[in-house]
Amino acid sequence: SQTIHQWPATLVQPVGSPLSLECTVEGTSNPNLYWYRQAAGRGLQLLFYSVGIGQISSEVPQNLSASRPQDRQFILSSKKLLLSDSGFYLCAHNRQLAEAFFGQGTRLTVV
Amino acid sequence: GQQVMQIPQYQHVQEGEDFTTYCNSSTTLSNIQWYKQRPGGHPVFLIQLVKSGEVKKQKRLTFQFGEAKKNSSLHITATQTTDVGTYFCAAADNTDKLIFGTGTRLQVFP
Repeated sequence: SQTIHQWPATLVQPVGSPLSLECTVEGTSNPNLYWYRQAAGRGLQLLFYSVGIGQISSEVPQNLSASRPQDRQFILSSKKLLLSDSGFYLCAHNRQLAEAFFGQGTRLTVV
Repeated sequence: GQQVMQIPQYQHVQEGEDFTTYCNSSTTLSNIQWYKQRPGGHPVFLIQLVKSGEVKKQKRLTFQFGEAKKNSSLHITATQTTDVGTYFCAAADNTDKLIFGTGTRLQVFP
């Protein structure tokens, strides 16, 4: 069965520090991979989308970057965090036009 | 790019009342998906609609896809406190990228 692992669950980081969130998928190959951010009580903002290794589409200009070094691994990074980077980060995967499966999410607080 | 709008943004209902959320797109959709996110949790897939005018039911939940495949609705009959959460519709754009609606947050008072 398909599973998606995302860690850590919570993170408190000082302004200006780096960030690395990792997401791995099991039970499927060549998935579409997504990073979303959700502000408290708000919708899902698509940050990055990937259809294959090394293929990353950035949806909004921002302080973040993403990489896909392996087929089932998706990493969200920042060199220097801003206060506005706080939020709930969700990794997801799906296959063409099929349902998406989400990780448990990472609640990031930048202080 | 493609946008998927949902209304209302918030809905507070008394337990036992009905609830409906609407999803609208400016472009024709190949399919529409619905998700539920419980407070503090992650979105979980509920259902997918593909055909024009399609109606599907899951217990007290009724999902409908418009004839023109540009809108969809989710109706909950006789809400319960377990229905609390945010409901999202989602659709794939012309690159197969999944775009989520703005969501409707449902609060149910006992």
